[in-house]
Amino acid sequence: DADVTQTPRNRITKTGKRIMLECSQTKGHDRMYWYRQDPGLGLRLIYYSFDVKDINKGEISDGYSVSRQAQAKFSLSLESAIPNQTALYFCATSDRGQISGANVLTFGAGSRLTVL
Amino acid sequence: SQQGEEDPQALSIQEGENATMNCSYKTSINNLQWYRQNSGRGLVHLILIRSNEREKHSGRLRVTLDTSKKSSSLLITASRAADTASYFCATARSYNTDKLIFGTGTRLQVFP
Repeated sequence: DADVTQTPRNRITKTGKRIMLECSQTKGHDRMYWYRQDPGLGLRLIYYSFDVKDINKGEISDGYSVSRQAQAKFSLSLESAIPNQTALYFCATSDRGQISGANVLTFGAGSRLTVL
Repeated sequence: SQQGEEDPQALSIQEGENATMNCSYKTSINNLQWYRQNSGRGLVHLILIRSNEREKHSGRLRVTLDTSKKSSSLLITASRAADTASYFCATARSYNTDKLIFGTGTRLQVFP
């Protein structure tokens, strides 16, 4: 089984619908992240979390919300999806350098979201 | 506010040739990391170089860092078709920052 699992892998929805992307990890890492990838723009940080009580906005949090249900689970919600939220979304985890001495990320396989 | 910019945007080579990708960044860093992404998949960490290091090797990968020029290069020697992927640099301003800044990536195609 993958260390970081994202569901769903693909989703097509309509404008205005609520969407939740889920992420679970077996790495035992404290840090979890949601990134968005658009062609030609690289990855941009949406939200990140240290633990269930600590949620932080990233570079592009508008239009998104998150929930850290447990150390191993971090979900991303689009309350009212719009077409420019069509993108590839990645969940990632890290130990924040506790072992490697630097914040190295482990990524899930991605969730491709299309908003019509 | 992306910090890493990579060039070339795309690179096509034959198997056995070397591939070089470059990354430039704007502010001081603690470390720079390279990740690989196979088409439509998640990113995989390849190698990390710290600001006090100039060169690092891992198998067929060689990374250099020039902090005076704020640039890094990733060299893949004796490339294989399986190296076909996009490669991203990511910079960190501190060792434990949560805010890695990713570049736009270089798309490498290796022809058999």
